[in-house]
Amino acid sequence: GENVEQHPSTLSVQEGDSAVIKCTYSDSASNYFPWYKQELGKRPQLIIDIRSNVGEKKDQRIAVTLNKTAKHFSLHITETQPEDSAVYFCAASSNRGGTSYGKLTFGQGTILTVHP
Amino acid sequence: DADVTQTPRNRITKTGKRIMLECSQTKGHDRMYWYRQDPGLGLQLIYYSFDVKDINKGEISDGYSVSRQAQAKFSLSLESAIPNQTALYFCATSDSESFGPGTRLTVT
Repeated sequence: GENVEQHPSTLSVQEGDSAVIKCTYSDSASNYFPWYKQELGKRPQLIIDIRSNVGEKKDQRIAVTLNKTAKHFSLHITETQPEDSAVYFCAASSNRGGTSYGKLTFGQGTILTVHP
Repeated sequence: DADVTQTPRNRITKTGKRIMLECSQTKGHDRMYWYRQDPGLGLQLIYYSFDVKDINKGEISDGYSVSRQAQAKFSLSLESAIPNQTALYFCATSDSESFGPGTRLTVT
């Protein structure tokens, strides 16, 4: 089955700096890569995702890049703010058929702390 | 996300007891999932269902069972709870885009 490794496990940055979280996956059939943000005591929330037919996707201060050859993908947060502090999870999924995606395998999470 | 609800939100139970966690959604999604979250281990898939008649085991299904009563309802059961099932449990719908608020389960 799929195996997703996420690094680093903790990341501490100053407000305004950039943060980068990296994930690798093992199953070359995986083609959907979402990222989730989970604040303390709350549910995971999807913040951005990328499909295997593109190499990069941006949404304001957040971007995700995908390297299918190397089987890794990364989350980039620019101009970090204290409210970005949370646990971030990457995940990977392969298409079971049709236009939807199958089950996700999650990385272990990165605790991001943004210091004011 | 009020469209996915879970009951109970917190539960303390004793070893050997049967317990059911319930998930309901108003989003009309066919796909529903149950995850378990332990500190430092991310989210692990227990069971998933692509429609009412399609139920599949995830990574850690041992000790758990599920029931998809309707498109909107997906229940997770622990037939005989044990302490290492103490965790935070999340239900999700669609392709895990929408998570429920979670159920914190403690087995003593």
